[in-house]
Amino acid sequence: EAQVTQNPRYLITVTGKKLTVTCSQNMNHEYMSWYRQDPGLGLRQIYYSMNVEVTDKGDVPEGYKVSRKEKRNFPLILESPSPNQTSLYFCASSFSVATNEKLFFGSGTQLSVL
Amino acid sequence: AQSVTQLGSHVSVSEGALVLLRCNYSSSVPPYLFWYVQYPNQGLQLLLKYTSAATLVKGINGFEAEFKKSETSFHLTKPSAHMSDAAEYFCAVSSEIQGAQKLVFGQGTRLTINP
Repeated sequence: EAQVTQNPRYLITVTGKKLTVTCSQNMNHEYMSWYRQDPGLGLRQIYYSMNVEVTDKGDVPEGYKVSRKEKRNFPLILESPSPNQTSLYFCASSFSVATNEKLFFGSGTQLSVL
Repeated sequence: AQSVTQLGSHVSVSEGALVLLRCNYSSSVPPYLFWYVQYPNQGLQLLLKYTSAATLVKGINGFEAEFKKSETSFHLTKPSAHMSDAAEYFCAVSSEIQGAQKLVFGQGTRLTINP
């Protein structure tokens, strides 16, 4: 089944404790992206990747890192999480970087930073 | 810069009634426009997209949207609401930034269906 898989589904952590949220897609997609969803703000892009070893900042990259060593994986790293990073996170992918491509989304990771 | 405004963070309709979710966009170039739906505890999935082929776009589950350039709008409609339509709906506009797709989402509209 074609899908984007995120793990974990829920995560509670404390300020400053490094964490990684994994994202994997099995559709051989070129483009992958991370979003955070906050009430009243919709989805905002954190980072995106056009292909292996090519990543770039989105609208809200501060406090996050990403890597794209393999085409299928695009982990999101929080080196020193803070409470303002408490949010619902989504990974998404699409076949190409074209502007009319639809995005496939993972089921989300609800992160709470205490 | 591209932007999207969804009018109404919450919309409530009765089962069987017309659903109308409003979206206005701002774009300096002809836009690609999307509606995504998010069911409880799930990721977003595509409802429909406008890519300039036709101004009236039909999507899944009986939804459709009409692109009106003069009004810079892309409102989502469904003639008869069903309980299963209860979800959050996001309008989005796409553009190209540095060779890649840049999708800007609206704030979302939560649709509630009353029995």
